[in-house]
Amino acid sequence: EVQLLESGGGLVQPGGYLRLSCAASGFRFSSYAMSWVRQAPGKGLEWVSSISGTGGSTYYADSVKGRLTISRDNSKNTVYLQLSSLGADDTAVYYCAKGRADFDYWGQGTLLTVSS
Amino acid sequence: DVVMTQSPLSLPVTLGQPASISCRSTQSLVYRDGDTYLNWFQQRPGQSPRRLIYKVSNRDSGVPDRFSGSGSGTDFTLKISRVEAEDVGVYYCMQGTHWPPTFGQGTKVEIK
Repeated sequence: EVQLLESGGGLVQPGGYLRLSCAASGFRFSSYAMSWVRQAPGKGLEWVSSISGTGGSTYYADSVKGRLTISRDNSKNTVYLQLSSLGADDTAVYYCAKGRADFDYWGQGTLLTVSS
Repeated sequence: DVVMTQSPLSLPVTLGQPASISCRSTQSLVYRDGDTYLNWFQQRPGQSPRRLIYKVSNRDSGVPDRFSGSGSGTDFTLKISRVEAEDVGVYYCMQGTHWPPTFGQGTKVEIK
């Protein structure tokens, strides 16, 4: 059974940084791209970043480019999202999803709140 | 970026009646390999999104057959043949043909 478990969310001050993690199980992790999709409170879904199975290719939404870094550790079956220079509009539930643009499995999400 | 436009944004439905959601894209979603990468997701209240349909009309494992997807090019439809109480939630279309992947605004399905 495929499982994705995000962690690392919390309350961060504006301008701060945070690293989110997503632990995967139930599939050959290194064979699949992984992505992060976020959802601001009461809003829709927004793709933010993807990483190839090897980690050699990374992709970012223009809205976050330069402030986010996606990475993965295939020995730990984990994908990470480091966010910096956080602003109020980064407040959202961050979901990790399997795949580059197919998103056949999603985690339960982790809430990031940016506030002073 | 490809813009995905859903209608209606709110859909009150009577239990047991059909429901239909439209999704239109600003560019054709046919990829060079001939496939069309249009997915539908369901997000029940308080839950994560769940993929229902991939490549226009393929149901994911465990998805009831009352859900069906159709369409081509730039126009797509998700249909629920007979709405059940568990179908309440927000439905999103998403295209994966053109980079970056983009979602529709979501359609909220509720029971009348």
